[in-house]
Amino acid sequence: QVQLQESGPGLVKPSETLSLTCTVSGGSMSEYYWSWLRQPPGKGLEWLGYIYYTGSTNYNPSLKRRVTISVDTSKNQFSLKVNSVTAADTAVYYCARWAPPLDYWGRGALVTVSS
Amino acid sequence: EIVMTQSPATLSVSPGESATLSCRASESVSNKLAWYQQKPGQAPRLLIYGASTRATGIPARFSGSGSGTEFTLTISSLQSEDFAVYYCQQYNHWPPRTFGQGTKVDIK
Repeated sequence: QVQLQESGPGLVKPSETLSLTCTVSGGSMSEYYWSWLRQPPGKGLEWLGYIYYTGSTNYNPSLKRRVTISVDTSKNQFSLKVNSVTAADTAVYYCARWAPPLDYWGRGALVTVSS
Repeated sequence: EIVMTQSPATLSVSPGESATLSCRASESVSNKLAWYQQKPGQAPRLLIYGASTRATGIPARFSGSGSGTEFTLTISSLQSEDFAVYYCQQYNHWPPRTFGQGTKVDIK
């Protein structure tokens, strides 16, 4: 059974960089796309982008300039960076496997942007 | 960007009854449509993909239909664990793989 687990700071200051890592267990990262999504409190889901296990990426244009996704298959991990954060970036951040569709999800990590 | 519109926003249903949720795409997404269930404090769970294929372990009371721009998720004989928010998502067009705003199914 594939499992994903997000990790990283739960509090980030405005204008700084949000960094999260997703660790994949129970399966190989090969042949799949690996995604980051977020959900602001009480709101719907937003896809931030995804990365193929080879390293090729696709980002949501609404966030493209601020988002970077990377992968380290030797560690079975992929990571998210969002720079220049504001309060609007406060959300639960999810990592997920894109088969397609999004068939395995992490539990989510709440990241609050506040000074 | 493809806009996904779900209706109704909230659906009040009694246990044992059926629920029909709708999802409309602003342009054709073929059959590249998935449905997810999300309970409070939990990650979304895949229910249906390819518009009508149930994901592994999903009970037969969940069924999906439609193609092009109109899609339906039907939950027959609602159980207590089915009260949740349901999202549709298109994956025919990138960027991005857009979600609907969700339909909340609550107890009548």
